[in-house]
Amino acid sequence: EAQVTQNPRYLITVTGKKLTVTCSQNMNHEYMSWYRQDPGLGLRQIYYSMNVEVTDKGDVPEGYKVSRKEKRNFPLILESPSPNQTSLYFCASSWGRGQPQHFGDGTRLSIL
Amino acid sequence: AQKVTQAQTEISVVEKEDVTLDCVYETRDTTYYLFWYKQPPSGELVFLIRRNSFDEQNEISGRYSWNFQKSTSSFNFTITASQVVDSAVYFCALITTIKAAGNKLTFGGGTRVLVKP
Repeated sequence: EAQVTQNPRYLITVTGKKLTVTCSQNMNHEYMSWYRQDPGLGLRQIYYSMNVEVTDKGDVPEGYKVSRKEKRNFPLILESPSPNQTSLYFCASSWGRGQPQHFGDGTRLSIL
Repeated sequence: AQKVTQAQTEISVVEKEDVTLDCVYETRDTTYYLFWYKQPPSGELVFLIRRNSFDEQNEISGRYSWNFQKSTSSFNFTITASQVVDSAVYFCALITTIKAAGNKLTFGGGTRVLVKP
């Protein structure tokens, strides 16, 4: 089944404790992105990648890192999480810029 | 810069009523793509439809239909004979093809649809 898989689905952690949210897609898509969804602010792109080893900033990259060492994986790293990074995070992939982005089920992060 | 506006924040209807969701977009690019996504209470984002800027044909898929009007920069979505399972938040989104935009989807604020039995 074609899908984008994120882990974990839920995480409660404390300020400053490094964490990684994994994202994997099995559709051989070139493009991958991370978005965060916040009440009143909507969905905003954090980072994106157009191919292996090619990543770039979206609208809200501060406090996040990404890497794209393999085509299928695009982990989101919070080196020193802070409470303002409490949010619902989505990973997405597509095979081209104007093509539908397929989203994972979301990861709800709470940073205390 | 791109912008998507969904003026209706919440719509409540009784089952079997039709409901139309408005979407107005802004972009200076001539080539772009419009999308609708559904976010049910379980939280995932489900792709519904994609339309490119050169194709103004309306589309119908079952109880769903979409009306794209370039002259008014609108891409409206109608659910006919609504059902309780249609209760969700619906997002309109836009992406352009210029390199500087990366592959960022610009989302509207969403419209929450509540279908009562």
